[in-house]
Amino acid sequence: KNQVEQSPQSLIILEGKNCTLQCNYTVSPFSNLRWYKQDTGRGPVSLTIMTFSENTKSNGRYTATLDADTKQSSLHITASQLSDSASYICVVSATTGYNKLIFGAGTRLAVHP
Amino acid sequence: GAGVSQSPSNKVTEKGKDVELRCDPISGHTALYWYRQRLGQGLEFLIYFQGNSAPDKSGLPSDRFSAERTGESVSTLTIQRTQQEDSAVYLCASSYDSYGYTFGSGTRLTVV
Repeated sequence: KNQVEQSPQSLIILEGKNCTLQCNYTVSPFSNLRWYKQDTGRGPVSLTIMTFSENTKSNGRYTATLDADTKQSSLHITASQLSDSASYICVVSATTGYNKLIFGAGTRLAVHP
Repeated sequence: GAGVSQSPSNKVTEKGKDVELRCDPISGHTALYWYRQRLGQGLEFLIYFQGNSAPDKSGLPSDRFSAERTGESVSTLTIQRTQQEDSAVYLCASSYDSYGYTFGSGTRLTVV
């Protein structure tokens, strides 16, 4: 069964600190992995997209890594800001012809001053 | 428009009533998806439209759920005889290729 598991479920950090969110998946065949940020009451917004051959990709203070052998990904947030408070969702695309997305349940991050 | 537009943003309905949710995709995006997001859970795939091809309805949870899309424009998701377990945020996304997904802000449906 295609699944995407994220950890931790929730996380509280102080402003300015770094954090790392984890994503493990069992999706096969694999096409690409995305990290989305979802603010409360809004739709998900794409942060990074990585294909099988990519190991790391950065978007400002966000850096995603991918290990396709172990089927693990991480999202590292550097120098956190209050506006980083949101849910971070790992999404894996299975190659079914039109790339159906399989969503993790997300990690809810709260950045406190 | 500049983004994916969904309406209404919030809908409260009585159990047993029918509801219709609307999604306006980005112009030119041939693919359109509907997802459901229950509180504290990940997004569940409902239905996928690609151009004029037959839609993939494999994610629809019951025959009370249906969706239509005219060409590459507006889509409507209809839920008949709503139940309390239908309460969720319904998100629409559109894309022009395998990567460029854009999500709307969703419709929060509450069945009382």
